[in-house]
Amino acid sequence: TQLLEQSPQFLSIQEGENLTVYCNSSSVFSSLQWYRQEPGEGPVLLVTVVTGGEVKKLKRLTFQFGDARKDSSLHITAAQPGDTGLYLCAGSGAGNMLTFGGGTRLMVKP
Amino acid sequence: DAGVIQSPRHEVTEMGQEVTLRCKPISGHNSLFWYRQTMMRGLELLIYFNNNVPIDDSGMPEDRFSAKMPNASFSTLKIQPSEPRDSAVYFCASRGTGVNYGYTFGSGTRLTVV
Repeated sequence: TQLLEQSPQFLSIQEGENLTVYCNSSSVFSSLQWYRQEPGEGPVLLVTVVTGGEVKKLKRLTFQFGDARKDSSLHITAAQPGDTGLYLCAGSGAGNMLTFGGGTRLMVKP
Repeated sequence: DAGVIQSPRHEVTEMGQEVTLRCKPISGHNSLFWYRQTMMRGLELLIYFNNNVPIDDSGMPEDRFSAKMPNASFSTLKIQPSEPRDSAVYFCASRGTGVNYGYTFGSGTRLTVV
């Protein structure tokens, strides 16, 4: 079974601070995705990274896929209250299934 | 596209009753997934279908859970009889072809069994 561990599990910061969320596994994934989930809604796809070492930017969010395709990170610059939510990483391995990490619950205080 | 549509949004039922959750995937998506989410266990895959055929139901917790996909535009997840420990948010998601396509989730059904 492929497992993804996310850290930290909880993060509470002030508006304007920077943060990094980590997603680690002992397994290799063909691709890795990041989702954000807001209360009362389902997760929404933010980005897919495919190539080892790949870096993608989405406004103030920077996503990186590890060289060995076993880990990933999400960095948020100058966090805003609107960034509050549950961030989930998910790895794609064999077949059509994603393995989800346990999530990082982020709260950004104004 | 209206996205993945789930119904009902909320369901409160008494222990022992039958519960049916419904999902309409995005048109053209050939894979459908049912997940359960709790604070303790996070997102758990219950079952997934490919081209309306169940592929992996190893996540279905017990025989009380069953899922069907009679056609490409509709799926149900049934719990009979329901128990308080089934209380959770149940999500349906669909995915198009291609390994790197993301999942599109519905808004979920919050189930409370009292």
